[in-house]
Amino acid sequence: GAVVSQHPSWVICKSGTSVKIECRSLDFQATTMFWYRQFPKQSLMLMATSNEGSKATYEQGVEKDKFLINHASLTLSTLTVTSAHPEDSSFYICSASIYRDPYYATNEKLFFGSGTQLSVL
Amino acid sequence: DAKTTQPTSMDCAEGRAANLPCNHSTISGNEYVYWYRQIHSQGPQYIIHGLKNNETNEMASLIITEDRKSSTLILPHATLRDTAVYYCIVREAGGSYIPTFGRGTSLIVHP
Repeated sequence: GAVVSQHPSWVICKSGTSVKIECRSLDFQATTMFWYRQFPKQSLMLMATSNEGSKATYEQGVEKDKFLINHASLTLSTLTVTSAHPEDSSFYICSASIYRDPYYATNEKLFFGSGTQLSVL
Repeated sequence: DAKTTQPTSMDCAEGRAANLPCNHSTISGNEYVYWYRQIHSQGPQYIIHGLKNNETNEMASLIITEDRKSSTLILPHATLRDTAVYYCIVREAGGSYIPTFGRGTSLIVHP
């Protein structure tokens, strides 16, 4: 099956610093990637939709200047948490959908990265 | 996309079948039923999906009622490694799709 690689698996940083998380589709092209955040014992919350070559679409309440998303190629999307604070501590997960055909593009299945546990001190 | 309702938690004995229900009474004709699961501290994993016919793969079986208002995910011989949160999602195929997750069912498989 398709593989989505997410790095790092965990990161600890000081308050005020920025952290970059990478999400790569290893054996397929992903025109669209999704970024989620998950707090303990809660479900995944969609943060933004990342489209290759264009600006990301953010969900309501998600600060685009704080959570910078770059999707520069069909296999890589990055999420940068800028000026991180303790309340940004969370489990961040990316997912990608397979690009099949321009006339029948479908997000038939989602493939997820293994997640990044961010702890801001 | 149609809303789904799942029990908050379930438990199952190892080796027995785990039957996880999902209610999607407002499902429309072109919406599929998808199941994903998330093992603790990992990203979700696709399990199976279907439209109206029952489906089976190496991981599970999906039984969809004739009126399509509910479905059941069946893990035929549950193992301890099947302990996870299981999410039932209903969505259209094709077009722009923004995947959202509900609370899911926390399945605990015990020895």
